[in-house]
Amino acid sequence: DAGITQSPRHKVTETGTPVTLRCHQTENHRYMYWYRQDPGHGLRLIHYSYGVKDTDKGEVSDGYSVSRSKTEDFLLTLESATSSQTSVYFCAISGGQYSNQPQHFGDGTRLSIL
Amino acid sequence: GENVEQHPSTLSVQEGDSAVIKCTYSDSASNYFPWYKQELGKRPQLIIDIRSNVGEKKDQRIAVTLNKTAKHFSLHITETQPEDSAVYFCAASYPGGGADGLTFGKGTHLIIQP
Repeated sequence: DAGITQSPRHKVTETGTPVTLRCHQTENHRYMYWYRQDPGHGLRLIHYSYGVKDTDKGEVSDGYSVSRSKTEDFLLTLESATSSQTSVYFCAISGGQYSNQPQHFGDGTRLSIL
Repeated sequence: GENVEQHPSTLSVQEGDSAVIKCTYSDSASNYFPWYKQELGKRPQLIIDIRSNVGEKKDQRIAVTLNKTAKHFSLHITETQPEDSAVYFCAASYPGGGADGLTFGKGTHLIIQP
C-alpha cells in the first residue's frame, strides 16, 4: 500500500465551524490531490498540488482551500463548514516528474456536518 | 472540461461468467485511463490502467480495451469470483489540463451471484 495517511478518519462537526483535514505521505511524491465522494457523483476533484506551495483548483473547489508547506503534507480546509460538504474525502498521490501518472488513494475521511 | 459516462450503473452476473463495464469520454486530448475497484467502506484501488498509445492491456483475469476514435474504453473481467463484487470506477485524464486530476465515471456496482 502507498504510504498515505489521512487524519482524522471520522469527524462530526457543526455548520459554520472551520475544519481541516490532513493528508500525509511518505513516498516523496510530487503530486497530491483532494477528492470528495458522494452517492451518485463518484469522485470529484477539489484541489490538487504539483509541489510545495503550488496548488490549483479542481472541479468542485468552492468553499475549500488547501495548503502545502511541505512535500509530505497536504491540508484541506473548510473555512465555514456547510451541510452540503458532508462527504467522504479522499487524498491521492502520484509520483513522477509529470502529472497524468497512476494515482493511489488514502483510506479517506468521513466528515459529517450537522 | 472532461466528462466521463459509465454504464451500467449496476451489473449482476453469475459466478464464473464474464463482466464488461463501458465508459465514454468527451475530450480527445485525454490519454490516460485507469480503472479503480472500491469495496464497501474502503479506498479506491487501482486495478489496471491504459494509455492512449495502446489498444488493449491484460492482467490475469482483467483486461481493458480502448477505442480512441469512438472515445470509449471498457473493463473486462473473466471467470468472475465472489471477491470481484465491488464498485468499479473508470476515469480519464489529460496532461496540462486546467485540473490535472482524474475525471471519474459515476461507478458500476458489480454483483457476483453464487
